[in-house]
This record gives sequence, C-alpha cells and structure tokens, in this order.
Amino acid sequence: NAGVTQTPKFQVLKTGQSMTLQCAQDMNHEYMSWYRQDPGMGLRLIHYSVGAGITDQGEVPNGYNVSRSTTEDFPLRLLSAAPSQTSVYFCASSSPNYGYTFGSGTRLTVV
Amino acid sequence: DQQVKQNSPSLSVQEGRISILNCDYTNSMFDYFLWYKKYPAEGPTFLISISSIKDKNEDGRFTVFLNKSAKHLSLHIVPSQPGDSAVYFCAASVSGAAGNKLTFGGGTRVLVKP
Repeated sequence: NAGVTQTPKFQVLKTGQSMTLQCAQDMNHEYMSWYRQDPGMGLRLIHYSVGAGITDQGEVPNGYNVSRSTTEDFPLRLLSAAPSQTSVYFCASSSPNYGYTFGSGTRLTVV
Repeated sequence: DQQVKQNSPSLSVQEGRISILNCDYTNSMFDYFLWYKKYPAEGPTFLISISSIKDKNEDGRFTVFLNKSAKHLSLHIVPSQPGDSAVYFCAASVSGAAGNKLTFGGGTRVLVKP
C-alpha cells in the first residue's frame, strides 16, 4: 500500500518557468489537498479537492492551479515560478472525519 | 493572522523526562484538534487527536489536553525517548467542513537528549 506518492522529490526552477508537481493516492480517499511548508509558518493550505471534478482555494492559492480529473490524482501546477514559491510542498489525502495522510514532500527551489 | 500558534519553536528534554508542547488557537469554530509529528525529509504523520467534547485523550506515552475556555491545548510525552526527536505540529479543523481542511501551527522542534 503506497499511500500518497509525490513526484519529484526535488526540483530547481528558474524564475518564470512552469512545472507540475504530481500527487497520487491509492486509498480511494475523497479529499485531497496541497500544503506548503515554510520555516516558522507551519503548513499552509494552497488548494483542496472534495472529489473528482471539484476543487477550491485554500489560504495561499495565488500562483498555483489544480485539477482533479480522477479520485487518485491531484496535480499542482506552477504557471510562472517565482522565488517566493521556494518551499516544501506536501500533498495529502483524507476521508471524511479522518485526518490527512501526507506524502513525503517535494522540495522546490526557484532561482 | 495565525489562527493556530505554537509559541515555542524548540524544546530540549532529557530522555525519560516529560515533554510538554503547547498550542493556542483563536478561532472558536475549531472543534477538532490533531498533533502531527514530522521527521526530516518525510511528510507529517498523525500522532493523536481530540474532539472538543473531550478535555483529554491518551494513547500510550502521548496525552493531549484541551482547555476550550482558554483556547489552549497541550501534548504531553511521557517518558520522552530519543526517537521522539522531531518537529511537532498542532492542527485544528472544523468538523464537517468541506475537505477536512486543517489549520496548522508553526511547529515545535523537540530534541530528546540521551
């Protein structure tokens, strides 16, 4: 049982480049979300989804897009990377009334 | 404005002693609270939770206390072990809210010395 899988684990981007962070879960969870972790800030919610075809914004959505075409996948897109998006990104999945299971993270550096 | 705060960024404790981690929240709508543990290069893992209808929940060496009137919760680890060295995040949510959205504190780094 793989749980939540994130790829890549590390990425360096130049300012203005775009990329997609992949996230897949095999637990048939309805809910999925993306968080970013910054020093002293804890984890902040970027976007979340309550099911296939349904997404909504979290606390810090600017500069990021998401889509949820299947229950299993929830990719996060950076359209034009900025240094302020340097962070560690965590994807997570959950069923109603349960806490989240997190992936191992993607460390992104934008130069 | 952070709705969940962990005011101690770090904590050092001797093996075998008690670790006490604190967390304060401001949003009175929060009614479910969780603690996550995070090792370097790994994602957070669920540790223990408590509903607002309780004031204490215990699981082995870990106990979470909730003081609703003070909007304060704490995590006690007894006895502390070197393997407990990690970053601990407090998180809060509103039961039934769409997506089980969690609001996290900034984390407390715990170092347990042998």
